[in-house]
Amino acid sequence: ETGVTQSPTHLIKTRGQQVTLRCSSQSGHNTVSWYQQALGQGPQFIFQYYREEENGRGNFPPRFSGLQFPNYSSELNVNALELDDSALYLCASSLSPWGGRTDTQYFGPGTRLTVL
Amino acid sequence: GQQVMQIPQYQHVQEGEDFTTYCNSSTTLSNIQWYKQRPGGHPVFLIQLVKSGEVKKQKRLTFQFGEAKKNSSLHITATQTTDVGTYFCAGSTGNQFYFGTGTSLTVIP
Repeated sequence: ETGVTQSPTHLIKTRGQQVTLRCSSQSGHNTVSWYQQALGQGPQFIFQYYREEENGRGNFPPRFSGLQFPNYSSELNVNALELDDSALYLCASSLSPWGGRTDTQYFGPGTRLTVL
Repeated sequence: GQQVMQIPQYQHVQEGEDFTTYCNSSTTLSNIQWYKQRPGGHPVFLIQLVKSGEVKKQKRLTFQFGEAKKNSSLHITATQTTDVGTYFCAGSTGNQFYFGTGTSLTVIP
């Protein structure tokens, strides 16, 4: 086990709704990254937070937003859900941001989001 | 835009045969990481390579990082059924992180 937890495990929403996914990082890990993984594809980087500030963002629209809290937890919020948002959402925590020798990422089990 | 491609996309091998997946980035990477994802599971970190030309071994697994830091490979010697899964390379450049397209390995007993 990686010590990274995510909730909920599964979620079903309808198009246009909003969703909040939660992640609890390993204790001491001040960096968290979020990924979207569609079925049969590799994870796509959404964004990274380091010490509660956004530290990088992938090619995702502004309706994808995030928060990181001092207690090593974080949230991914998605507004105006679209059918294509159906995917496995993964968070990963690390000791440091990209490029450092301690940037090994530990992934949580993911949240499976289905948008109908 | 930045792309990280892996070949092959799928590989079926007999148990005991060797397996290699190749990872190619369109731009230079700061480092390369390798992950294994079992069906229905999440990516699990295997190793990180940082230096140009670096080679690391973990039991039956050998990882290489190219001289130009744009390509990498993972070689498994004498595959076992427990090696089944999808292998992803991943790397960072600037403040972005990119996963490769993955190679799905099936091991036939």
